[in-house]
Amino acid sequence: GIQVEQSPPDLILQEGANSTLRCNFSDSVNNLQWFHQNPWGQLINLFYIPSGTKQNGRLSATTVATERYSLLYISSSQTTDSGVYFCAVGNFGNEKLTFGTGTRLTIIP
Amino acid sequence: DGGITQSPKYLFRKEGQNVTLSCEQNLNHDAMYWYRQDPGQGLRLIYYSQIVNDFQKGDIAEGYSVSREKKESFPLTVTSAQKNPTAFYLCASRGQVRKTQYFGPGTRLLVL
Repeated sequence: GIQVEQSPPDLILQEGANSTLRCNFSDSVNNLQWFHQNPWGQLINLFYIPSGTKQNGRLSATTVATERYSLLYISSSQTTDSGVYFCAVGNFGNEKLTFGTGTRLTIIP
Repeated sequence: DGGITQSPKYLFRKEGQNVTLSCEQNLNHDAMYWYRQDPGQGLRLIYYSQIVNDFQKGDIAEGYSVSREKKESFPLTVTSAQKNPTAFYLCASRGQVRKTQYFGPGTRLLVL
């Protein structure tokens, strides 16, 4: 099956800093989503981005499908950004998502 | 409000016991999913259903069973055959047009 690797595994930043999270995947995809899991376990969908670039407030994401990677940018970090960020991908004709192991982000006041 | 609900929030299982986790959605979504998350790990797919009365095994289906008798409901049974059931269980749904998955708040299952 498709492999998904996320880096870095852990990231600790001061409030106000910017960060870049990376997701590499091993095969062609037609579905790529970024999620944020808060400290209570709730997963929130951030982006559906199988290709191209999207922005939502302080967050933006870029997927370069031909090179099999996606980046999530967080600018001007806030303590509420803390949690685990997951990348999940799906192949053509496949209704399943494969999740990476996540990047744990800790924002220090 | 539209969304996905899971119950209970915490569940305790005794040895040899089957337990059922509830997942309900009022988003009118066709597809529903069950995932398992172990501490410090990503999510692994247990079962999924794309339509009522039909479901498929995911990557770790052994020791679990599901049913999909109604569009709104997709309960998961953790059977006694699942030898290591302690985990965080998450239910999700997805609409027909948009591929975005939406998650419930999860159920934490502990073995006594």
